[in-house]
Amino acid sequence: GESVGLHLPTLSVQEGDNSIINCAYSNSASDYFIWYKQESGKGPQFIIDIRSNMDKRQGQRVTVLLNKTVKHLSLQIAATQPGDSAVYFCAESGSARQLTFGSGTQLTVLP
Amino acid sequence: NAGVTQTPKFQVLKTGQSMTLQCAQDMNHNSMYWYRQDPGMGLRLIYYSASEGTTDKGEVPNGYNVSRLNKREFSLRLESAAPSQTSVYFCASSEYRGRSNEKLFFGSGTQLSVL
Repeated sequence: GESVGLHLPTLSVQEGDNSIINCAYSNSASDYFIWYKQESGKGPQFIIDIRSNMDKRQGQRVTVLLNKTVKHLSLQIAATQPGDSAVYFCAESGSARQLTFGSGTQLTVLP
Repeated sequence: NAGVTQTPKFQVLKTGQSMTLQCAQDMNHNSMYWYRQDPGMGLRLIYYSASEGTTDKGEVPNGYNVSRLNKREFSLRLESAAPSQTSVYFCASSEYRGRSNEKLFFGSGTQLSVL
């Protein structure tokens, strides 16, 4: 079956720096990708999504990049703030499959 | 702005006991989902309901049953709880009828411990 994984389980960045969280997927038929943020004790919160007909999408302080050639997805957070500290999950779906979630990256913002 | 509401927030069961986790959404969404989250793992789909009156198995359905009571409510039942079902359970909803390429809205979770 397909898998969704993250390159690093933890990431620490200085406040004000940019953060990049990476995600790899294995199913070439995946056509929808999404990032969630989960703070401690809370449910996942939608950040941004992208479909396979795009390679970049921007939101407020966040950008998602999709490289279908190498099956790689990244989330960039500009000017990282203490409130960005959380676990970030990528997920993918396609061909009528429900979303498959990765195991998450813990982002810690250092003062 | 309630969104997706889950009850209870915490529950401790003994092995063999049964219980039902409740979920309700007020966004008029068609589809609802139950996930479990274990340490170091991503969310895994237990069951989902693409629309009122339908339910389908997800990745890890064994030991669970669901009921789509109406458009708003989707419950998850553990008939005979086992320690392996210790987990955090999340309910989610989405707007369309089981389309896989749309965002889900999650509740705040139920922490379940089975002793």
